[in-house]
Amino acid sequence: QQQVRQSPQSLTVWEGETAILNCSYEDSTFNYFPWYQQFPGEGPALLISIRSVSDKKEDGRFTIFFNKREKKLSLHITDSQPGDSATYFCAASESNNRIFFGDGTQLVVKP
Amino acid sequence: EAAVTQSPRNKVAVTGGKVTLSCNQTNNHNNMYWYRQDTGHGLRLIHYSYGAGSTEKGDIPDGYKASRPSQENFSLILELATPSQTSVYFCASGDAGGAHAEQFFGPGTRLTVL
Repeated sequence: QQQVRQSPQSLTVWEGETAILNCSYEDSTFNYFPWYQQFPGEGPALLISIRSVSDKKEDGRFTIFFNKREKKLSLHITDSQPGDSATYFCAASESNNRIFFGDGTQLVVKP
Repeated sequence: EAAVTQSPRNKVAVTGGKVTLSCNQTNNHNNMYWYRQDTGHGLRLIHYSYGAGSTEKGDIPDGYKASRPSQENFSLILELATPSQTSVYFCASGDAGGAHAEQFFGPGTRLTVL
């Protein structure tokens, strides 16, 4: 059973628009939710994360919205730039440092 | 800055051959991980380690072995490579003890098994 699910699989937006990437999880014991960003030919790198005690985390143009009751979260990228084009992985973990990754959303931002 | 390196970066192997993928980290992290990435499957955990001498099975360990001879080095071994193991492999390291520790990834190794 897949622990973390992401949608859509791919997303195309125009420069300046807001991209919304969705994520849901199965295990209610998960309490930490990082998002990783991966550019072609590189390894993933941590972009932003949220703990389950919060319902929102903002870092510049990137915002995570978290709904614990529904076991859902989303990543909003405002004023999207072509340089944001990448694959975004939603992930979840509890306290043992084991991270479960979703299958990723491939984002393309058109100029 | 975290530094995780992998070698080789690209590898072509023959079916039935032995392949060793190497990973080195200079962060003094206790935990290290091996993932494979395939289109449509995201990152899947193969093996991981909590420190020198320890290896643990992840979600897809069949056909793979791991070795952690030191804090810095973690290897992934394919004793009898098969075409289904063609993939991109990522190594990562992370701090133990931190409940929400970040994982730092290497640049990946692209393996093709013919």
